[in-house]
Amino acid sequence: DTAVSQTPKYLVTQMGNDKSIKCEQNLGHDTMYWYKQDSKKFLKIMFSYNNKELIINETVPNRFSPKSPDKAHLNLHINSLELGDSAVYFCASSQDTGVSYNEQFFGPGTRLTVL
Amino acid sequence: EDKVVQSPLSLVVHEGDTVTLNCSYEVTNFRSLLWYKQEKKAPTFLFMLTSSGIEKKSGRLSSILDKKELFSILNITATQTGDSAVYLCAVPNDYKLSFGAGTTVTVRA
Repeated sequence: DTAVSQTPKYLVTQMGNDKSIKCEQNLGHDTMYWYKQDSKKFLKIMFSYNNKELIINETVPNRFSPKSPDKAHLNLHINSLELGDSAVYFCASSQDTGVSYNEQFFGPGTRLTVL
Repeated sequence: EDKVVQSPLSLVVHEGDTVTLNCSYEVTNFRSLLWYKQEKKAPTFLFMLTSSGIEKKSGRLSSILDKKELFSILNITATQTGDSAVYLCAVPNDYKLSFGAGTTVTVRA
């Protein structure tokens, strides 16, 4: 059984379009994350949600809007896509409380290419 | 802001060699340090270190933390081509992981 799944795996789109990436985890975790990995392989946090509440928003443009309908899902919607948005986006989940930290489990990634 | 620095950025070795990867950090409220291995897809968890001087071991991989000098090392002995990957060091704080830039290890047959 897949622990953290993302769809789609690949996304190719034109500048200016709006697109969504979905993430689901079946681990029963309370905390979910979105990370962006650029062409230099640097992984950077974008958002984290704990029990469906936004905890971290790391100076991400407001064209990016995460939505967590329930604890098992964290979707990412991107408006008005730009060339610089091309990257691999990873969803992750963990059982974190903000005081104690456990390993994060990562999804397979979504490779977004903006033309 | 939390800072995680890995070195070297990349290295190439031959099968059977031993590699040592370094990770230094500056964080507020340090609690743990994590190592991940990333091949073509998602990072996969290797170790979590919380205490100084206690080596964690998994097969040919081992890691240790020095909380006084603020660094960790990851060792891989008797390397195999399957060890080729990007190795990422990360420190958790405030519901996020701060990652280093990673070390790309290439093991040649």
